[in-house]
Amino acid sequence: NAGVTQTPKFQVLKTGQSMTLQCAQDMNHNSMYWYRQDPGMGLRLIYYSASEGTTDKGEVPNGYNVSRLNKREFSLRLESAAPSQTSVYFCASSGNWGGETQYFGPGTRLLVL
Amino acid sequence: SQQGEEDPQALSIQEGENATMNCSYKTSINNLQWYRQNSGRGLVHLILIRSNEREKHSGRLRVTLDTSKKSSSLLITASRAADTASYFCATDFGNEKLTFGTGTRLTIIP
Repeated sequence: NAGVTQTPKFQVLKTGQSMTLQCAQDMNHNSMYWYRQDPGMGLRLIYYSASEGTTDKGEVPNGYNVSRLNKREFSLRLESAAPSQTSVYFCASSGNWGGETQYFGPGTRLLVL
Repeated sequence: SQQGEEDPQALSIQEGENATMNCSYKTSINNLQWYRQNSGRGLVHLILIRSNEREKHSGRLRVTLDTSKKSSSLLITASRAADTASYFCATDFGNEKLTFGTGTRLTIIP
């Protein structure tokens, strides 16, 4: 089992460029999450998908869109990247409900110039 | 904000000593979890304690929960260099997601 995988591991963008961060899990989990982590801020939830076919905004959704492609995959898209989106992005999944243990991917480091 | 807050923000101890870090939150919870993050890595789940539990153990880890004070503590006994990491509490407020605190950075000095 690979658990939760994320691609790419590192990306540099110029302001205004777009990109999609990919996440996949092989644990047959229903719920998936996208977080960003900034120094001193902890993890902040961007979007989540409680089950296949549903997505909801988290604490900091502005500037992002998501797609729950199927049960395994949950992507995060930046349509027009801004320097404020420089961060480390983590994808996570959990089994059946949001309060369960979450399993995290290794993260994507994004630098927006 | 419902975000939990860890205390202290940073902690340095000698190898072999015990490390204690605390988490406080503001509203009632279903459960509270602790996660570890090694530098440059994703978070790893350590332990989950439910609102009707007061204490839980896992190896060298001991977690307590005081719902009347809305606080939890994580004790790591007989610390090792490999315990150097950031530790986060996460709370389940029953709204389909977890809310993470800002973390305690623990450094074990060999």
